[in-house]
Amino acid sequence: KNQVEQSPQSLIILEGKNCTLQCNYTVSPFSNLRWYKQDTGRGPVSLTIMTFSENTKSNGRYTATLDADTKQSSLHITASQLSDSASYICVVSVTDSWGKLQFGAGTQVVVTP
Amino acid sequence: NAGVMQNPRHLVRRRGQEARLRCSPMKGHSHVYWYRQLPEEGLKFMVYLQKENIIDESGMPKERFSAEFPKEGPSILRIQQVVRGDSAAYFCASSPPDRVEQYFGPGTRLTVT
Repeated sequence: KNQVEQSPQSLIILEGKNCTLQCNYTVSPFSNLRWYKQDTGRGPVSLTIMTFSENTKSNGRYTATLDADTKQSSLHITASQLSDSASYICVVSVTDSWGKLQFGAGTQVVVTP
Repeated sequence: NAGVMQNPRHLVRRRGQEARLRCSPMKGHSHVYWYRQLPEEGLKFMVYLQKENIIDESGMPKERFSAEFPKEGPSILRIQQVVRGDSAAYFCASSPPDRVEQYFGPGTRLTVT
């Protein structure tokens, strides 16, 4: 069973609208949680990194939240643009190793005009 | 500063042939990681290397797969006697000495016919 679960699996939204993606993890202990954006045919690009003591972090129109008690994170996209169409991946870094990354399967977001 | 470079971007091999995937990390980065992404699945860790050392190969299949990161030149992921199940996108990432952030290359898409 994957230790990082994401929902929904896919999402279609209209340009200009907001959306929120969810991530639940069971990895423990963890040192940080990341959100990556992966365009089709490209490598993942980091959006945010949060340690267990951080609750929220923003990067432009992307805002990530973290609740380390419930082991949940979310990524909120504000005023979506066509270029936001991509897969968004939740990644947790394991503490008891060199920082090995555990990847979720991603949420595929499609922004339509 | 050029990003992580991977070549080839696409590789087609017949069953039983060898596949060699190359990764040049970003300048100043001494840590290299290889990941595999099967269709519709998340990235899976394969191996973590530093110059001339394999640090963690817990994600590598026990047979046919090997990786190296020589003192000079790129990191190489080698797959011997490829099978159809090896068809996937292989991503390389590199990080600076603090290992906080991993920067991904564009990936090599291996197709085994």
